[in-house]
Order: sequence, then structure tokens, then C-alpha cells
Amino acid sequence: GAGVSQSPSNKVTEKGKDVELRCDPISGHTALYWYRQRLGQGLEFLIYFQGNSAPDKSGLPSDRFSAERTGESVSTLTIQRTQQEDSAVYLCASSARQGYEQYFGPGTRLTVT
Amino acid sequence: AQSVTQLGSHVSVSEGALVLLRCNYSSSVPPYLFWYVQYPNQGLQLLLKYTSAATLVKGINGFEAEFKKSETSFHLTKPSAHMSDAAEYFCAAQKFGNEKLTFGTGTRLTIIP
Repeated sequence: GAGVSQSPSNKVTEKGKDVELRCDPISGHTALYWYRQRLGQGLEFLIYFQGNSAPDKSGLPSDRFSAERTGESVSTLTIQRTQQEDSAVYLCASSARQGYEQYFGPGTRLTVT
Repeated sequence: AQSVTQLGSHVSVSEGALVLLRCNYSSSVPPYLFWYVQYPNQGLQLLLKYTSAATLVKGINGFEAEFKKSETSFHLTKPSAHMSDAAEYFCAAQKFGNEKLTFGTGTRLTIIP
């Protein structure tokens, strides 16, 4: 079946611009996660959605970052007024329910110039 | 705070030789532990996971890992390396009741023909 998909695969933007990254989780998966992978570093947790519960935003690095999820489907991660330090690969993952295996998408490589 | 340490950002082994990738966690309570593999331009794929059922965990592609509480370690091994094993490997931990994964910085495995 289809896995987690993300778009765009690559995004180059100018400093100060806003960007939106999209994640399509596996159908039926109630949990969705966003992570960031900066060059030479491990993945950092950003935000977690579980069903209709309030999201866990504890990993968002600043108020320039926000994310939404429509029901149990698509999620968008928005970065406002991008900075060069936002350059990274943004990975999305979904799982069937709390505590189950997380399946990762291929990521969006964001470059801020 | 929980952390995961992977010793060796780059490991090279000859084809047919033993693969050993090291991972240590810091947590007062043993967490769930995972090994993920990332092939170029692909998302992370779960190799195996430890959830306290058995200390020796077998995963896909001939990999296994042993949980050692006394050493706070969860090293990944494979008896005989194959060229197709070349990839980046990430160790991750998850606290009970907390959905987010905490990742190590990754180890890039190179297989020498």
C-alpha cells in the first residue's frame, strides 16, 4: 500500500519568506509526527498529532513554526519568515495509533538562501 | 532529559565482515529502543525495536540488537555485511507514555568490496 508521502521533495526559498510543507500519512493512521534533521545532527521532534486531541507542540523551536492537521489526514507544517538556520530535511511520520511503529516519509529538503 | 549517543559517525567494514554499530541511551528508566535505516533519498525504515519483551531483538535484513541495561546500550550487529547494507543508521529511544522519538546523530555505514 501507499506509504507516507511528502511534498515538495525539495524547496529553496529566500530568507524571510514563508514556506508550507505537506505530509500525507498512511490512510487510517491516527498519529502524525513532524521531525527536523539538520546536517550532521539527529532527528529533532517538532510536533505530534493524535486524533482529535490537542497536538504536542513541545518541540517547535520558535513561534515562526506552526502545523495543522485536518482530521486524520493531511498535515501542513508552516515556517514563517524563514531563517538560514531553518535549512534542514523535514520528515513526517505516521503510526496506526499511540505507541505503534512510526512510518516515515522521504522528507522535504528545505534550503533557505 | 533523555538522550541517545551513537559512537562513530562513520563506520567502514569489508563485505562479509561483522557489522557493529554502537548506541547508548541515558535514562533512569529503560525506554523503548529502536534502530532505523535510511537509504539515500528515502525515508527512515524500522530495522528492529526493543519493548522489554526480550533483550535480544531480531530485525529485518539479518540485523539484531541486544539490550543491556547494565551498560545502557543497544548495539546493532550483523554477522556478515552485504553491499546493500550501506546506508545511514539511527538509534532512537521512546519513553513510556511519550510518543516522541529521541534520535542519535546517526552512523553512516560504508561497505568495502
